[in-house]
Amino acid sequence: DAGVTQSPTHLIKTRGQQVTLRCSPKSGHDTVSWYQQALGQGPQFIFQYYEEEERQRGNFPDRFSGHQFPNYSSELNVNALLLGDSALYLCASSPFSVGELFFGEGSRLTVL
Amino acid sequence: DQQVKQNSPSLSVQEGRISILNCDYTNSMFDYFLWYKKYPAEGPTFLISISSIKDKNEDGRFTVFLNKSAKHLSLHIVPSQPGDSAVYFCAPAKGGGADGLTFGKGTHLIIQP
Repeated sequence: DAGVTQSPTHLIKTRGQQVTLRCSPKSGHDTVSWYQQALGQGPQFIFQYYEEEERQRGNFPDRFSGHQFPNYSSELNVNALLLGDSALYLCASSPFSVGELFFGEGSRLTVL
Repeated sequence: DQQVKQNSPSLSVQEGRISILNCDYTNSMFDYFLWYKKYPAEGPTFLISISSIKDKNEDGRFTVFLNKSAKHLSLHIVPSQPGDSAVYFCAPAKGGGADGLTFGKGTHLIIQP
């Protein structure tokens, strides 16, 4: 049983570009959340998707958007990249309303 | 505004002894508290949780204590083993755990042989 898988694992972009990160949840999970982890910090909640809708959002600007597909997989899109967007982006899945999240290994984004 | 504080960035403990990791929070709306463990180059892994209606939850070598009046929780690991060396995150949540988690900055636990 595959856990949470994320792609790509590493990527480099330049300021102003756009990026799309992808996530496949653990089998049986219908809720996907995205977190940003900057160096030396704990993960910060970006948003959560359930039933293909954004259910909850953290304190992130509209440049951060997402999508959930009927098979529960999800994408995170970041537009107009800034240097400060360089971070590890973590996807987590769970059954709905369960707090124990299963995390992927993350996508390391570097913005130059 | 840091809602979750883990004031010890690192902690060194001898193998076989007890490790105690602390976490303080400010938001009284938190009602579900989780601990995650993270190895380098891996995503965080769920370790143990506690609901606000309890003051203690135990799972094998791991015990979490919650003091709601002090807005403080702690994770006890006994006995500590070399494989416990990792970064530990405290992550409170609202809505019984259904809402997004608020992570602390983490404590790097190092188990010395």
